[in-house]
Amino acid sequence: GAVVSQHPSWVICKSGTSVKIECRSLDFQATTMFWYRQFPKQSLMLMATSNEGSKATYEQGVEKDKFLINHASLTLSTLTVTSAHPEDSSFYICSAESLGGTDNEKLFFGSGTQLSVL
Amino acid sequence: GENVEQHPSTLSVQEGDSAVIKCTYSDSASNYFPWYKQELGKGPQLIIDIRSNVGEKKDQRIAVTLNKTAKHFSLHITETQPEDSAVYFCAASGGSTLGRLYFGRGTQLTVWP
Repeated sequence: GAVVSQHPSWVICKSGTSVKIECRSLDFQATTMFWYRQFPKQSLMLMATSNEGSKATYEQGVEKDKFLINHASLTLSTLTVTSAHPEDSSFYICSAESLGGTDNEKLFFGSGTQLSVL
Repeated sequence: GENVEQHPSTLSVQEGDSAVIKCTYSDSASNYFPWYKQELGKGPQLIIDIRSNVGEKKDQRIAVTLNKTAKHFSLHITETQPEDSAVYFCAASGGSTLGRLYFGRGTQLTVWP
C-alpha cells in the first residue's frame, strides 16, 4: 500500500517556541492531506484539511494562527505549532488521500508525532 | 456535523474466538466507512473499508457489514490471535472529501492466549 512518512516522530520543546512537523507521501501524489490530533486514550480529532497550492480549511474551534499549515507540493504538507504551550502537547497525525491506482482512493496515515511542550 | 458512536470501549476475548465492534453514524450523506487498527505510539493502520453501495466486505479473518438504513456498521474479526490486540477505530466520511473522517472513540481489543 501507499506510504506516508511523518517527521519527527517525537519532539520536546520549551514553552513559547514553534515546532514544525512534516508529512510526506512517498510513492503517490496527494493533492489533499489532513491533520489530526489525538490525546492519550482518546480518538483522533480532525484539525484541518490541507490542499496543495491553497489555504488550509480548519475545523471549528481550531486556531488557524496557532496551527499553521503549508501544502507547497503534491507530496509535502507541514504543520507548524506556533508559540507552543503545555496544553498543545499531543500526538499529531497526518494523512494523505491516494486517488486512483491500485489503492482506489484511500486514505493513509503517517506514524504520528508526539509533541511534548515543557 | 457527523457523529460516530463506537461500542464497546473495551473487549476481551480468548484466542480463537470472534470479536465484534459496532459503530453508528448520524449523517446519512456519509458514504465511506473505514476501520483502523492503532498500536501504542503509532499512526492508524487501515485494515478494511466499505462504501455505502456495498453491504458486506470480507478480507480473510476480517469482515465489515454496513446497514445504511439503520446507519450502523460493524467490524468482525474471526479466529482472533494475540497480535490482533490493539485499539480499533471506526470512522465515517461523506461528501466530496474522502479524508474528512470522523472517528469513533475506539475499542481496546485484548486477545488472551
